[in-house]
Amino acid sequence: GAVVSQHPSWVICKSGTSVKIECRSLDFQATTMFWYRQFPKQSLMLMATSNEGSKATYEQGVEKDKFLINHASLTLSTLTVTSAHPEDSSFYICSAPRDRDRGIQYFGAGTRLSVL
Amino acid sequence: GEDVEQSLFLSVREGDSSVINCTYTDSSSTYLYWYKQEPGAGLQLLTYIFSNMDMKQDQRLTVLLNKKDKHLSLRIADTQTGDSAIYFCAESITSGYALNFGKGTSLLVTP
Repeated sequence: GAVVSQHPSWVICKSGTSVKIECRSLDFQATTMFWYRQFPKQSLMLMATSNEGSKATYEQGVEKDKFLINHASLTLSTLTVTSAHPEDSSFYICSAPRDRDRGIQYFGAGTRLSVL
Repeated sequence: GEDVEQSLFLSVREGDSSVINCTYTDSSSTYLYWYKQEPGAGLQLLTYIFSNMDMKQDQRLTVLLNKKDKHLSLRIADTQTGDSAIYFCAESITSGYALNFGKGTSLLVTP
C-alpha cells in the first residue's frame, strides 16, 4: 500500500487564487521531503527540499514566494501555490525517504493543478 | 544535476521481454532506481539497486548495472499489456537525497 499520501489529487482553480497541496508520510517520520514538478510528457524536476524545523531549500529558478513550503510536522509537508496563474498548471509530486528502507524514496500519487 | 539519458519510446509484443536502458553521468551515484508511471498517476517504485551491486532480480524484473559504462538497464520478462507505462530511471548520490530523473521511456505493449 501507499506509504506517502498526497492530497488533493486534482484541483481546478481560478487565476489569482492560492492552492495548498499536502504530502504525508503514513507510517514513518520524514524530516526531509521533496517537491517535484512534472510538465506533460516531461521528466520530474526538483523544485525544493522541505526540511522539518527549518526553511525549505529551493532549486535555482524556483520562486520561493510563489511556492511556499511548510514542513509542519515530522509527517506533513505542504506546498502552497500562491496567486496561481495558468502557467502554474502542472503535475506536482512529493516524495519522502524512509530510513528503514535505507532512504529509498517513496512518492505520493501527485496533484494535477489546473489554473483557469 | 547531471543528465540521465533514456530512450523515449519502446514497443514490444505481449509475452516478449522488454529492455529499457539508461545512462547516467554522475559516478558518485549510490542509488539507482526504476519507477513506473501510468497515465495521470504518481510514481510507483519498481526496483532499485545500490552501486555496489551488478544485478538484482525481483520476479519478472531484472536490473543490470555496469558502473564502468554508467549504464543501467531494466528487463521485464513476459511483458504484459498492463506493463504499458512510462518508466523513469533515477539516480541519487546517497540515501535521503533528491533524485535526478531521466526523461522517461514510454513502453507500449501490443497484443
